[in-house]
Amino acid sequence: QKEVEQDPGPLSVPEGAIVSLNCTYSNSAFQYFMWYRQYSRKGPELLMYTYSSGNKEDGRFTAQVDKSSKYISLFIRDSQPSDSATYLCAPGPHNFNKFYFGSGTKLNVKP
Amino acid sequence: KAGVTQTPRYLIKTRGQQVTLSCSPISGHRSVSWYQQTPGQGLQFLFEYFSETQRNKGNFPGRFSGRQFSNSRSEMNVSTLELGDSALYLCASSSPGQGSTGELFFGEGSRLTVL
Repeated sequence: QKEVEQDPGPLSVPEGAIVSLNCTYSNSAFQYFMWYRQYSRKGPELLMYTYSSGNKEDGRFTAQVDKSSKYISLFIRDSQPSDSATYLCAPGPHNFNKFYFGSGTKLNVKP
Repeated sequence: KAGVTQTPRYLIKTRGQQVTLSCSPISGHRSVSWYQQTPGQGLQFLFEYFSETQRNKGNFPGRFSGRQFSNSRSEMNVSTLELGDSALYLCASSSPGQGSTGELFFGEGSRLTVL
């Protein structure tokens, strides 16, 4: 069983749509739930994170964690073409600073 | 503050050769992690170094190795290259410690093509 499973996509939506990106994880010890965004030909950058369970909102982005079901979600409201990127979930850490990454969901927001 | 710098950015090798990739972390960051990214497998953890010591290792064969120097710069080496080693190799630095989220700061990667 993989540590993290992520909906693979790709996902193509019109501008202004609400986007839902999802992951499941297996290790109940994970406390931090990170979302990284990776533009083409760039390294991933941290978009936002949550600690333990609950929701966290940052502008158009909302991260949700349900530890009881080991489910992680990222919602994007009013999606923009500039949101077109690959989104990677990364729960952790495990053994000091090791994070497991989902395989990534490639999002394309059409103008 | 300068970001994570990886060199070279692109390289082409042939099967059986070996390659060394370099990573300079953000100033003050003592943890350096390496990841392999491929379209089929996503981001896979290779290893993590902290203060010149390997703290974590992923499930890669012994052909993959790394080291960290006293100035926190890191190198990884892949020997006896195989076609399947073609990938983007990403280095990430962080400043773990009490109260830290462990956020990883990634470089732009070294894209290796094995022919």
